[in-house]
Amino acid sequence: DQQVKQNSPSLSVQEGRISILNCDYTNSMFDYFLWYKKYPAEGPTFLISISSIKDKNEDGRFTVFLNKSAKHLSLHIVPSQPGDSAVYFCAARPRGGQNFVFGPGTRLSVLP
Amino acid sequence: GAGVSQSPRYKVAKRGQDVALRCDPISGHVSLFWYQQALGQGPEFLTYFQNEAQLDKSGLPSDRFFAERPEGSVSTLKIQRTQQEDSAVYLCASSFTSGGGETQYFGPGTRLLVL
Repeated sequence: DQQVKQNSPSLSVQEGRISILNCDYTNSMFDYFLWYKKYPAEGPTFLISISSIKDKNEDGRFTVFLNKSAKHLSLHIVPSQPGDSAVYFCAARPRGGQNFVFGPGTRLSVLP
Repeated sequence: GAGVSQSPRYKVAKRGQDVALRCDPISGHVSLFWYQQALGQGPEFLTYFQNEAQLDKSGLPSDRFFAERPEGSVSTLKIQRTQQEDSAVYLCASSFTSGGGETQYFGPGTRLLVL
């Protein structure tokens, strides 16, 4: 049973528009969340994080929103750029734990 | 300096062969993690080291999998008597401290194919 779900395997967005990637989780013990970006043949690269004490964190073009009651988080990229085309993983860590549980990823394609 | 490095980048093994995968974490990083990533899936946790101590190996799928980090730096993941279901990308990650919330920095992975 997947504890972290990314129900959209892929997403296509026009350059300059907003990309919204969604993530749902089932474990209420998760208290820290990360988004990673992965290019082919490379390891995942950290993008942005959010703690459960916050509902929003922003870093440049990237904003992560957390809705704890719905056990849902989303990553907004605006404006989207062709270089953003990659697979995006949502990851969650349980309170007191060390390792992260990853979702299956969403492949984002930003079309020029 | 450099990021996390892993070797080899690609490994083809015959079923039943033993393999050893190496991870060089970022210098000074206390924590080291191994993950397995199957095709089309996210990384799945295998094991975690704090310095040389293996504090969590709950994700290792069988006793054919063994990991070590004898001097608290380089780590080796060994898979004995490889099976076809072991085919995956094996990712290593390190983080600076052992505290929760630390960002993990990933290596490029070793792609293992068992024939």
